[in-house]
Amino acid sequence: AQSVAQPEDQVNVAEGNPLTVKCTYSVSGNPYLFWYVQYPNRGLQFLLKYITGDNLVKGSYGFEAEFNKSQTSFHLKKPSALVSDSALYFCAVRDIKSGGGADGLTFGKGTHLIIQP
Amino acid sequence: EPEVTQTPSHQVTQMGQEVILRCVPISNHLYFYWYRQILGQKVEFLVSFYNNEISEKSEIFDDQFSVERPDGSNFTLKIRSTKLEDSAMYFCASSSRPMNTEAFFGQGTRLTVV
Repeated sequence: AQSVAQPEDQVNVAEGNPLTVKCTYSVSGNPYLFWYVQYPNRGLQFLLKYITGDNLVKGSYGFEAEFNKSQTSFHLKKPSALVSDSALYFCAVRDIKSGGGADGLTFGKGTHLIIQP
Repeated sequence: EPEVTQTPSHQVTQMGQEVILRCVPISNHLYFYWYRQILGQKVEFLVSFYNNEISEKSEIFDDQFSVERPDGSNFTLKIRSTKLEDSAMYFCASSSRPMNTEAFFGQGTRLTVV
């Protein structure tokens, strides 16, 4: 079974400072990894994904994430936080299976990111 | 930009009643999903659908749930006899390919069972 852990319920960062939102995963095979953001009363918006290749992936709104296979982590980062980045962030994983199929994502519990002016 | 649309945005129903949640996926997508998010909790996978049949379902998706693609554009989730614990935000999502492609989510339908 696949699982995702986001160890922090909330992360507080001052505007202009770098931010990191942590994510670790567990899969039986190789993972596809995703970050989504949710603003209040809104759906999930895709930020970025890791499928294969370069371990550092860049996504929307200046976010990036680093895939670390040995640590089974996929932390979300941004060099300089904006107040508008305040939202709920979800890490998600999909296990690559030989059978294929439209497998669902397994989400972490989410991390509230609060950027203070 | 194409988007997934869901209706209604909020549905209130009495316990034991049937509800149908509707979704219009992105037009050229082939893979469709339903997820739910109970208030304050994480997003949970319910079911995936491809080629007019269920591809995968979670243990949450029991006999009370069903999905259908009644025409070329709509994708519906039916709950036959709602329970209080079915109260949640239900998200529809679609993707163009199943595995290495991101899914696009709708705005969600908030279901309240009273």
